[in-house]
Amino acid sequence: KAGVTQTPRYLIKTRGQQVTLSCSPISGHRSVSWYQQTPGQGLQFLFEYFSETQRNKGNFPGRFSGRQFSNSRSEMNVSTLELGDSALYLCASSLAGSFNNEQFFGPGTRLTVL
Amino acid sequence: AQKITQTQPGMFVQEKEAVTLDCTYDTSDQSYGLFWYKQPSSGEMIFLIYQGSYDEQNATEGRYSLNFQKARKSANLVISASQLGDSAMYFCAMREGLRKLIFGSGTRLLVRP
Repeated sequence: KAGVTQTPRYLIKTRGQQVTLSCSPISGHRSVSWYQQTPGQGLQFLFEYFSETQRNKGNFPGRFSGRQFSNSRSEMNVSTLELGDSALYLCASSLAGSFNNEQFFGPGTRLTVL
Repeated sequence: AQKITQTQPGMFVQEKEAVTLDCTYDTSDQSYGLFWYKQPSSGEMIFLIYQGSYDEQNATEGRYSLNFQKARKSANLVISASQLGDSAMYFCAMREGLRKLIFGSGTRLLVRP
């Protein structure tokens, strides 16, 4: 079974631009979560989608948005990029997003904002 | 309030020895899961082991075992026979019901040859 895939792996943008990151979950997994990881803030939860609906949301500004498609693939979008958005963005999938489901991560997208 | 605590920012262990990474958690839920992940310098988060709140036996996966003490709310990871490739960041995480998975601050493990 293929693992979680994320594209692109690396991205360089300038302040004010917007960016879209993509995540394809493990086949059969319906829950997709997104995380931001920075050296200063650690791992921070962005949002979780289950069956095309946002189920959980972290404390990020509205510039961060996401969606999930009917095939469970997910995208996250960051508009009006700021220098502080430079981070590793990790996507994870699980069967149903329940406490007894393992959550598997993709390799991440490393975003640099100049 | 932070619900997952990893008190060891960094640890050293000699190759082939066992090491315990500490994790304590706080929850009032009856249904929760505890997870350990390894993050090497490449950045990918690798799932290691899972323990459910209703599991009576400690989880084991190869060289990894989870020392689950429910009354103390601790879920320590034990790595036996450490290898050089075990050098990485290790994160403890918890999920309550259908809520988000939350992570501790991590422990950096360095295995000495």
